[in-house]
Amino acid sequence: SQQGEEDPQALSIQEGENATMNCSYKTSINNLQWYRQNSGRGLVHLILIRSNEREKHSGRLRVTLDTSKKSSSLLITASRAADTASYFCATDARGGADGLTFGKGTHLIIQP
Amino acid sequence: DAGITQSPRHKVTETGTPVTLRCHQTENHRYMYWYRQDPGHGLRLIHYSYGVKDTDKGEVSDGYSVSRSKTEDFLLTLESATSSQTSVYFCAISRGGGRALETQYFGPGTRLLVL
Repeated sequence: SQQGEEDPQALSIQEGENATMNCSYKTSINNLQWYRQNSGRGLVHLILIRSNEREKHSGRLRVTLDTSKKSSSLLITASRAADTASYFCATDARGGADGLTFGKGTHLIIQP
Repeated sequence: DAGITQSPRHKVTETGTPVTLRCHQTENHRYMYWYRQDPGHGLRLIHYSYGVKDTDKGEVSDGYSVSRSKTEDFLLTLESATSSQTSVYFCAISRGGGRALETQYFGPGTRLLVL
């Protein structure tokens, strides 16, 4: 199973509304990252939050991290049609291997 | 975009044939990674490299080998392609790894179809 699991799997909202996606993970981490993937494209890094941080902002993005609950949330405020994409959380890989372990993603659709 | 290219971008091959995918970076980053992306699984780590000639296995390494003879190139080889290796393959690079794992920058991907 994946280290990170996003919830919901799909989300459809109206333009201008806020979108919230959640991520849960199983083992302790050094950091947690969020990525965006537009259809047919590579992943783009959005934000990295370290295990000793609780909240981080970047433009219209707000990420929270609760290590006691092993969960994170990504909030996109004032959504735009261009925000339509899949969003993935990623954590340090399990088993001592380097690299990231990704969840299955949340597919976000912004209705104009 | 970070200077990462992948080649080929699309490939159709037959079961049993060898296939090599190439990842090339111009950022001089030490760490390079190969992932595969399949519906219902997200991205999964195949192999990674932490320097020239230094590579290690990831979560789904069976059936794959890698080589890194130069900082800028990381090759992924399917020795004998199988239909289960039909996937989209992404290369990624990073300045830091291990406990200093940092942001990863991804290439555009290679779509591989094994018939």
